[in-house]
Amino acid sequence: DTAVSQTPKYLVTQMGNDKSIKCEQNLGHDTMYWYKQDSKKFLKIMFSYNNKELIINETVPNRFSPKSPDKAHLNLHINSLELGDSAVYFCASSQDNRGNQPQHFGDGTRLSIL
Amino acid sequence: GIQVEQSPPDLILQEGANSTLRCNFSDSVNNLQWFHQNPWGQLINLFYIPSGTKQNGRLSATTVATERYSLLYISSSQTTDSGVYFCAIISSGSARQLTFGSGTQLTVLP
Repeated sequence: DTAVSQTPKYLVTQMGNDKSIKCEQNLGHDTMYWYKQDSKKFLKIMFSYNNKELIINETVPNRFSPKSPDKAHLNLHINSLELGDSAVYFCASSQDNRGNQPQHFGDGTRLSIL
Repeated sequence: GIQVEQSPPDLILQEGANSTLRCNFSDSVNNLQWFHQNPWGQLINLFYIPSGTKQNGRLSATTVATERYSLLYISSSQTTDSGVYFCAIISSGSARQLTFGSGTQLTVLP
């Protein structure tokens, strides 16, 4: 069984559209994350939620809105998509937010803006 | 913020060769992980190793936390080892997100 699963794997859409990426973990972890990998393969944190509460928001544009309906799910909604949003988005989870447990990553969602 | 530097940036090997990848970091760490990003883009957890030495098959890793570096050893490399290897850390004094290095692009030739 996949521990951290993201859907969809690929997303191709037009500039200006609104889209969502879903993430679910079945590890029983309390903390979930969204990371962005740019075209140069650099990975950077976007958001972190602990038990459905936002704990990290790394100066991401307001067009990005994470939502955590329960601690097993962290979805990412993006409004008014721009060309610069093209990237691979990774979801991850860890047992807690103390920073001394490994993070487990999903397979990523490749977003392409036309 | 904390700095994470990986070397070399690129590495090309013949199948069967051994290699060592290095990760230097600028602060004490709570968490250090090594990942392999395969050609399909998946991030595979290799090691969780904030200190000490671990081995998993042909791969092993050592972190010397007091000297602020970690090494990933790949022995008898195979073409399937190709991809990008990332080191990522959570420093002891910072917010609890992973800071990634820029990666080492490994190509193993048949």
